[in-house]
Amino acid sequence: KAGVTQTPRYLIKTRGQQVTLSCSPISGHRSVSWYQQTPGQGLQFLFEYFSETQRNKGNFPGRFSGRQFSNSRSEMNVSTLELGDSALYLCASSSGTTNYMTEAFFGQGTRLTVV
Amino acid sequence: TQLLEQSPQFLSIQEGENLTVYCNSSSVFSSLQWYRQEPGEGPVLLVTVVTGGEVKKLKRLTFQFGDARKDSSLHITAAQPGDTGLYLCAGGRRDDKIIFGKGTRLHILP
Repeated sequence: KAGVTQTPRYLIKTRGQQVTLSCSPISGHRSVSWYQQTPGQGLQFLFEYFSETQRNKGNFPGRFSGRQFSNSRSEMNVSTLELGDSALYLCASSSGTTNYMTEAFFGQGTRLTVV
Repeated sequence: TQLLEQSPQFLSIQEGENLTVYCNSSSVFSSLQWYRQEPGEGPVLLVTVVTGGEVKKLKRLTFQFGDARKDSSLHITAAQPGDTGLYLCAGGRRDDKIIFGKGTRLHILP
């Protein structure tokens, strides 16, 4: 089956702009989680969506938001970009049907550079 | 705050040597996963351990979950250049988000 698809792979934006990233999960998976990965902080959890509802949220400012559509595809939006938002943004797909840790399949990520 | 501490942060060894990397926490997790990530790619799941004291083997890789379910180790026997990558551990608890460690960057020299 097709894997997790993230678009775009690379993005360069200017401070103050906003950006939208997209994630298409594995067919049949209803849970999509978003992570920010930087060399200094590692993988940090942003939020998780399950059946169009945000189920868990990390400790990021309100500039970071997301949504999930009825086909399970998810988008992540960052407004008023800051230099510190430069990172690899990863999306993970899982069945999400249990309330404990299940196997997550990651996309290749979107490399965002803010200049 | 739940934290997963991974050690060492960096490890560079010769091909054929053995190594162990660690993942430690003061919190109890219901399960723990190990991932490997290569440059430019997303992490790929290697194993999930759920029972305290559990040991799982994946070819030359041996994973152990601590008895108290607060720590885990990954042992690689006869390391090969293809083992090079960032090894991440991740802990989960029921109804809670998954926590990742910062990873151990492993480099195997041919």
